[in-house]
Amino acid sequence: DADVTQTPRNRITKTGKRIMLECSQTKGHDRMYWYRQDPGLGLRLIYYSFDVKDINKGEISDGYSVSRQAQAKFSLSLESAIPNQTALYFCATSDFRQDTDTQYFGPGTRLTVL
Amino acid sequence: GENVEQHPSTLSVQEGDSAVIKCTYSDSASNYFPWYKQELGKRPQLIIDIRSNVGEKKDQRIAVTLNKTAKHFSLHITETQPEDSAVYFCAASKFMYSGGGADGLTFGKGTHLIIQP
Repeated sequence: DADVTQTPRNRITKTGKRIMLECSQTKGHDRMYWYRQDPGLGLRLIYYSFDVKDINKGEISDGYSVSRQAQAKFSLSLESAIPNQTALYFCATSDFRQDTDTQYFGPGTRLTVL
Repeated sequence: GENVEQHPSTLSVQEGDSAVIKCTYSDSASNYFPWYKQELGKRPQLIIDIRSNVGEKKDQRIAVTLNKTAKHFSLHITETQPEDSAVYFCAASKFMYSGGGADGLTFGKGTHLIIQP
């Protein structure tokens, strides 16, 4: 879905570096999410936001922080990256106005921490 | 918090046969159960979902059933085709249909469905 974009698409970094992953959407959705995908573990929720003033921790928020700069932008930061944060990261959005919790995923960012 | 278990982790079926993937959830307050399909190298995409006030939902060759008492739900794919090969994820959430928020989706670990020609 081209309406949800993520940058960068791939990133290799070293232990201890600060990394920011960015997500933008043109769908006009108010809700945004960050998930992490690891082989055999499915997708796990890191943080979610219902609007620019509302940020909530998910299942695995330790070691991560987020910023909701605008309704359309939601960034994920790793303040000091470690190798076990190597994973595929997905941003997702959903629409408060719809009577469903359908989430629309971005293309993903593959992060490797050496 | 919610815990979603998904079985099997891998399922191989002959083209044209049916496939069934099962999930259980732990939080009786969960009321929304979607299924996502993820093809190799692609993003997850919703294929079907069901609310807790419905026992079954169908969309062409795909159906989902929900048993609230037992806290389990299943995905049924009939007349499987090669393009059904993918990883399928079930999920659960507590969604406020009257407005307000939802606390994000809790996913199962996925089922790799392989369609044998």
